[in-house]
Amino acid sequence: QVQLVQSGAEVKKPGASVKVSCKASGYSFTGYYMHWVRQAPGQGLEWMGWINPNSGGTNYAQKFQGRVTMTRDTSISTAYMELSRLRSDDTAVYYCAIRPATYWYFDLWGRGTLVTVSS
Amino acid sequence: QSALTQPRSVSGSPGQSVTISCTGTSSDVGGYNYVSWYQQHPGKAPKVRIYDVSKRPSGVPDRFSGSKSGNTASLTISGLQAEDEADYYCCSYAGSYTFVFGTGTKVTVL
Repeated sequence: QVQLVQSGAEVKKPGASVKVSCKASGYSFTGYYMHWVRQAPGQGLEWMGWINPNSGGTNYAQKFQGRVTMTRDTSISTAYMELSRLRSDDTAVYYCAIRPATYWYFDLWGRGTLVTVSS
Repeated sequence: QSALTQPRSVSGSPGQSVTISCTGTSSDVGGYNYVSWYQQHPGKAPKVRIYDVSKRPSGVPDRFSGSKSGNTASLTISGLQAEDEADYYCCSYAGSYTFVFGTGTKVTVL
């Protein structure tokens, strides 16, 4: 079935980097933009950016520019989100989500990956 | 990019209607008809309920409806049911292929 399967929880120290993966199945991986959204504990949703799996083109929220890198591996239908120079306030659940080609909403979400930043 | 403003909480009895507002600016909500609404139960991923201001994806009950006036979008849940108790987030296209979410609203079914 159509699904996005994310990698497992991570614990990182301040200043380190984390790379979260999102494996797509059941649909054409290159046909949908992959977005990343995060949610700090008890807080709201925050849009981080997207990658076009077809071209590799990216667009990041201004807040994360310089710290986030989104990549993909089309051979295994997997997208990645790497966040560097981690701080304690980066502790959050990170979701991947796809947007239908000609629409402006997020149709399918992964289950989320908890990233904890703690010394 | 500032988060869209939503009330922290709304509540209603079963069968009643509740409306959640989502206020932005002319650069996001007011500038595009691309507002979507998401329902999130505790510990779960969000699910879309409304897109393009007022359209419902297949499988979403018609109890959910959306509208927009100026810089404020609204989600109305009619005939409130116990399973509607959740957090709700609006989201708007904000130009330059970027998006912004609302602050979130907790809906309580009394």
